[in-house]
Amino acid sequence: DVKVTQSSRYLVKRTGEKVFLECVQDMDHENMFWYRQDPGLGLRLIYFSYDVKMKEKGDIPEGYSVSREKKERFSLILESASTNQTSMYLCASSSPRGGTYEQYFGPGTRLTVT
Amino acid sequence: DQQVKQNSPSLSVQEGRISILNCDYTNSMFDYFLWYKKYPAEGPTFLISISSIKDKNEDGRFTVFLNKSAKHLSLHIVPSQPGDSAVYFCAASSQGGSEKLVFGKGTKLTVNP
Repeated sequence: DVKVTQSSRYLVKRTGEKVFLECVQDMDHENMFWYRQDPGLGLRLIYFSYDVKMKEKGDIPEGYSVSREKKERFSLILESASTNQTSMYLCASSSPRGGTYEQYFGPGTRLTVT
Repeated sequence: DQQVKQNSPSLSVQEGRISILNCDYTNSMFDYFLWYKKYPAEGPTFLISISSIKDKNEDGRFTVFLNKSAKHLSLHIVPSQPGDSAVYFCAASSQGGSEKLVFGKGTKLTVNP
């Protein structure tokens, strides 16, 4: 079974703090994704990565950066957290080898910025 | 511009009846469609998918129908069970493009006992 793990289930940070969200997958997937989920807005893509050290902006990259130094790990960084970044953050991975585009999601991190 | 639309934010059905969740898309390049189910405080889990070369795919109680001419797909759950209560997301992708999925905003299904 594919397993995608996220470093924290719940996180509370103060405005202006630097925040790191970590994601690890154990299926040797090439692709990794970061989304945020907000009520009424669905899942919105922040950044994705096709390979180590590769990254591409998604639909809402402002205020975020990412790092992928190892194939299994994809980090989301909030350089200076703001209250409008309070959200559920979801990491996902996939592989083009399957041909199905199916993405496997982690359990999510509920981030609150106060 | 929203490429994948789920126009019903919520749906309520009785246990044992059919649940029909709808999804419309605008991008004619989409050729693969997926449904995900999400419980509160959990990540989405894959439910069922369909390629554009098909018009129907079944998996147990779940069936997805695709109408390419109308750019419409639907998820049927028969019979509905209380454990099916969750948010359902429709997603789409295009072959030859990126590996990204475009998600709808979701429909919250409530199955009443």
